[in-house]
Formats: sequence, structure tokens, C-alpha cells
Amino acid sequence: DIQMTQSPSTLSASVGDRVTFTCRASQSVRSWLAWYQQKPGKAPKLLIYDASNLESGVPSRFSGSGSGTEFTLTISSLQPDDFATYYCQQYNSYSRTFGQGTKVEIK
Amino acid sequence: EVQLVETGGDLIQPGGSLRLSCAASGFTVSNNHMSWVRQAPGKGLEWVSVIYSGGSTYYADSVKGRFTISRDNSKNTLYLQMNSLRAEDTAVYYCARVYDSSGYGWFDPWGQGTLVTVSS
Repeated sequence: DIQMTQSPSTLSASVGDRVTFTCRASQSVRSWLAWYQQKPGKAPKLLIYDASNLESGVPSRFSGSGSGTEFTLTISSLQPDDFATYYCQQYNSYSRTFGQGTKVEIK
Repeated sequence: EVQLVETGGDLIQPGGSLRLSCAASGFTVSNNHMSWVRQAPGKGLEWVSVIYSGGSTYYADSVKGRFTISRDNSKNTLYLQMNSLRAEDTAVYYCARVYDSSGYGWFDPWGQGTLVTVSS
């Protein structure tokens, strides 16, 4: 199975900050990576697919980059609604594995 | 509006069985690939199973031989039959549509989830 590792596990930031977090794959997943946002008690919401394509309706402050084994999700100016947990997911293999998540907390 | 609504979660004893349902609206389940994804309390996300539009089914190793994914086209509903349940199956179970325009696909949208608790 392809293992996905996200860092950091927790990130403390303030409204207006530019934040970046990382997702690393144990082997190449090409550009077949998605990012999701999850708030407590809610289902995950798709933000990015194919590593860098912004899902319709997602604010443009979110952006994704990377290919192969290293990927990043950037929020250009953190907003109050963005405090949540973010997961990456590879779909290069049928197991479609997720990272363990990065929780963005208020500083 | 595209929507998925899961039902059927419950408290069940180890070794027991349970069937989850996922009713879809705004799109046709049989024309799409559909999956179940679960999340143990306080933990991350784990893909469980997929049924392709053509009817092929696949499972995570952790549930293979115990869980069965299916659909009822007349009801536009997805199911997950769970047998021989274990404590480690305790989780919120989400259904989701799979988009596989590239690779094995990402999940969008997701239902709100239904909680399965396996405990004596």
C-alpha cells in the first residue's frame, strides 16, 4: 500500500497568515492527489484534485502543488472559516489512501 | 442538488451484522462509481469499498470477506452489508461518489455519515 504522511500534524496560525502544509507519498502517485477540508462533526469537503486543480466553488486562496511524492496545500490568507483539519488522498492505487491529517488551529 | 444521505448506523455487538444505506438524489447511482469511506473516532479516513458503474466491486483488505457493497438501481441507493463486525470497525461511515477521470479517483460529494459502534 502507498503510505501518505502529512506534516505538521498541527499548525497554529492567525487570521491573515499564509500557511503551507505538506503531504508525502511513500512512492510516486504522479499528480493523482486530492485535498479535503473537514470540520468537526462534518463530512470531508473536496478542495483540490489532480494535485493543483481547484474544485468549483472553493475560494481562490487555496492552492495545491507538487507531483510524484511531495505535495503542498497553501492557504494564501487564512480566514476564520479555514480552521479545520486537512487531509490528502492519493488515487494512484486502488487503496486510495489518506494522510493522517493536519489540524489548523487558532494561534 | 446532488446529495447523499446515509442511514443504518447503530450499536452492535461484536460478531453481529448491520446494513448501511446511502440514498442519492440529484444523480443516478448506477451511472457512477460509489464508495464507502470510514473514520474511527478521533482518527483519519480509510477507504472501505467501491462499486463501479459496471458493477465490479473492490474492498480494503481490512474488510474483505466480511463486507459487501451493493446498490438498488430502482431506489437509487447504495448499501454496505457488514458481517462479523469487530471493535475496530467502530467508525463513522461515509458514502461518496468517486470521480475517476484520472487514476482511481477522488471522492465528491460525501454524505453526512452514519455512526457504527461495535461493542458488547
